[in-house]
Order: sequence, then structure tokens, then C-alpha cells
Amino acid sequence: RKEVEQDPGPFNVPEGATVAFNCTYSNSASQSFFWYRQDCRKEPKLLMSVYSSGNEDGRFTAQLNRASQYISLLIRDSKLSDSATYLCVVKGSSNTGKLIFGQGTTLQVKP
Amino acid sequence: GAGVSQSPSNKVTEKGKDVELRCDPISGHTALYWYRQSLGQGLEFLIYFQGNSAPDKSGLPSDRFSAERTGGSVSTLTIQRTQQEDSAVYLCATQGQPTDTQYFGPGTRLTVL
Repeated sequence: RKEVEQDPGPFNVPEGATVAFNCTYSNSASQSFFWYRQDCRKEPKLLMSVYSSGNEDGRFTAQLNRASQYISLLIRDSKLSDSATYLCVVKGSSNTGKLIFGQGTTLQVKP
Repeated sequence: GAGVSQSPSNKVTEKGKDVELRCDPISGHTALYWYRQSLGQGLEFLIYFQGNSAPDKSGLPSDRFSAERTGGSVSTLTIQRTQQEDSAVYLCATQGQPTDTQYFGPGTRLTVL
């Protein structure tokens, strides 16, 4: 079993739609959680951190359920510019801070 | 520049040759990571440097892979006797503090023929 699992998609949605991505992780001792965005042939960039209380940044909402080892990302009012691959990322329990990446979920927003 | 830079941006080599990939971190960032991303896959951790501590090499896939970080700044990732399965994008990321965001460089796309 992979340490971080995501549905690879692709998710094809019309502009304005609401879309949700899910992710599960296997190590219950994991410390920190993130969503990164990666555009085609570009490096990953931090989209947002994920907190147990849930957090929102504009049209983006992230949720963490430690009991279920489950992370989600909700995008409201999708824009064409949201088209990208969204990577679920977990920081392990070691001291190194290395990040464990999911395979990514591809989103294509269409006009 | 202010970001992480990597060179070369693209490298094509023949099987069996050695390659060196370079990462210039953000000034002052003490932590440096190497990852690789194969086509259609997520990122795979390779190695981590933090200050003067011994590096975490737990992600290196074989002894053909090695990395150095000189003077706590520039890092080089060396792959000896390259194989076709080494073809991937090699990404470097740096971090100021353990709780800080990791900033990625643009990567080096390695193709082994």
C-alpha cells in the first residue's frame, strides 16, 4: 500500500463547478499535511497547509480527519486557471521533514 | 535570483555514462532535499541535508546515486553508470526552518538513452 493515496482522475469539470479531492495516508504518526499544486512540466508549489480544524483560503477549503487518516480539498467556483495536478503531501514522523507525495489528482476545468 | 535554481534544465545522456545535477538553494535555507518524479508519478524522496548533520540518504535507490552539499550551500546529485530507468525529473527543494514551506527548483529533466 502506498503511504499517500489519491484518485489520479482526471476530473473534468465545467467552469463554476465545485470539485472535491480526497486523499488517505497510512502513517498515523504523520505530523503535517499539505496540498501542493503542480502545473504541467513545472515544479510543485504549496497551495495550502491542512489543519485539523479545517482551513479556508478564498475558494479553497482543506480538511483533515486524523481518526480516518483522510485529507480533502474542496475547490468552489472553479476557474480555467485551476487546471493542474493537485498533490496531497504528508510530512513524516521523522526529524528530517521529508515530504511524502501522493501520485496527484489531475483537474481539467473546461469553459 | 530569489528562488531555487537547478542546472542543467535538460540532460540527455547515454546509458552507462555518469551525470551531475546541480542545485543552488535560496540563500540562508539550511535544509535541502532531492526528489525525483518519473512520468505520471508522484515525487519520490531521495536525500536530505540539514546544516552540518549527516545527510538522510534513505531514499537513494541504489549505490549509483550520491549527493554532496558543499559549505552548506550548493548541492550536486551524481548518478553513476546511468540506466534507462533513471530517466525522470530531478527536483531540488530547500527550506529555511523545519516548519517552513519547501520551495522547489524548476527541476532537471534527465533522459537516458
